[in-house]
Amino acid sequence: KNQVEQSPQSLIILEGKNCTLQCNYTVSPFSNLRWYKQDTGRGPVSLTIMTFSENTKSNGRYTATLDADTKQSSLHITASQLSDSASYICVVSPWKGKFQFGAGTQVVVTP
Amino acid sequence: DTGVSQDPRHKITKRGQNVTFRCDPISEHNRLYWYRQTLGQGPEFLTYFQNEAQLEKSRLLSDRFSAERPKGSFSTLEIQRTEQGDSAMYLCASSSTNHREQAEAFFGQGTRLTVV
Repeated sequence: KNQVEQSPQSLIILEGKNCTLQCNYTVSPFSNLRWYKQDTGRGPVSLTIMTFSENTKSNGRYTATLDADTKQSSLHITASQLSDSASYICVVSPWKGKFQFGAGTQVVVTP
Repeated sequence: DTGVSQDPRHKITKRGQNVTFRCDPISEHNRLYWYRQTLGQGPEFLTYFQNEAQLEKSRLLSDRFSAERPKGSFSTLEIQRTEQGDSAMYLCASSSTNHREQAEAFFGQGTRLTVV
C-alpha cells in the first residue's frame, strides 16, 4: 500500500477561485513533507517544505498545512490563475530510505 | 546550468531495440533516483543510488531494466528489448543526505520515450 495518498485525483476550478488538495501519509518518522508542482512535460519543482514540528507554510498564493497527529497535509491555492494548472505532488522524506511520493492531484484552472 | 540534466530529452525507438538514458545530477549530491511517469500519474520509483551503490530497486522493474552509477556521479538507465508498455517519461532526481531536515529531490526535465 502506498504510504502517501492524495485526493482528489483531479479537479477543475474557475480562475480566481480557491481550492484545497489533501495528502494523507503513514511515513514515520520523517524529516520533512514537501508539495511539488509539476507542469506538463517538465520535472516536479518544490513549492513548500514543512518539517515535523511545523504546522503551516506559505509561498505566495500557496499555503500548506501539516497535522502530525492525524498524519494529514493540505495545500490551499488562493485566487487561482491559469498558470496554476499542473499536477501537485505530496512527497514525504523519511529519516531513513527514499522519498515517498503521492500519485498527485491534477488541477485544471479554466477561464 | 547547475541543475540535474538528462539526455536525450526525447527518444523514439522501435520495439525490441535497446535504449540508454543518461542523468547528470547536481555535483555535490550523493543520492540519485530514477522514476517512470505515465500520463496523469505520479512518478513511479524505479531505483536509487547512494554514491555508486544501488540501494534499492523496485520490484516492478523487470530484468530488462538496468541502471548504473559507476563513479558515483552520472548515471545511466538502460532498457533492453523495449516494449510498447515502456513508453513513458523517465525522470531522474538527485538529493543530498546532508541537512536531512531540508532534504529535497531536484528533478531533471525527463526523457520522453516512445516505443513504436
